[in-house]
Amino acid sequence: AQSVTQLDSQVPVFEEAPVELRCNYSSSVSVYLFWYVQYPNQGLQLLLKYLSGSTLVKGINGFEAEFNKSQTSFHLRKPSVHISDTAEYFCAVMKTSYDKVIFGPGTSLSVIP
Amino acid sequence: NAGVTQTPKFQVLKTGQSMTLQCAQDMNHEYMSWYRQDPGMGLRLIHYSVGAGITDQGEVPNGYNVSRSTTEDFPLRLLSAAPSQTSVYFCASSYDRNINEKLFFGSGTQLSVL
Repeated sequence: AQSVTQLDSQVPVFEEAPVELRCNYSSSVSVYLFWYVQYPNQGLQLLLKYLSGSTLVKGINGFEAEFNKSQTSFHLRKPSVHISDTAEYFCAVMKTSYDKVIFGPGTSLSVIP
Repeated sequence: NAGVTQTPKFQVLKTGQSMTLQCAQDMNHEYMSWYRQDPGMGLRLIHYSVGAGITDQGEVPNGYNVSRSTTEDFPLRLLSAAPSQTSVYFCASSYDRNINEKLFFGSGTQLSVL
């Protein structure tokens, strides 16, 4: 079965500092990968997705992620965070184009002024 | 455009009570799904539907029923609530279950079962 691991449950970071949120998945086959963000008291929104092609994917709000097949990772990065980036971030995977979306446990990003 | 609408936002139940969580979308999406969100466990898929009249089980279907009589609505029924069902529930939809489509989420229903 597919599984998604997010190694850090909480990440505090100072405003304007860079951040990396880690995601690893378990699969021996090709997968489709996603990052979603959940702002307080809201539903999830898609940040970015990797389907195929370039391993560096750019998303909304200045976030990007890099797919590394050999390390089965899909880490999310932002070079300079803002207070408004404080949220819960979820990594997710689909095994095939018509498969269920499986979510990781989430990483809570807190941006400190 | 309302998107995905969930009601109620909050609900408290006693063990053994039944209730229905409502989900409606106005985007003509074929695919609809229910997730529950628990601390440290992320979102787990309860049930999903790929179109009116078609439903299927997700990762954690026990204790929940669904039906899809229209494209717009996908209610989630708790037949006999248990404390283990205390959670935040999210409804999500997409045009179809295609990787090129993204999931649109409702704002959630916070359920407490005493």
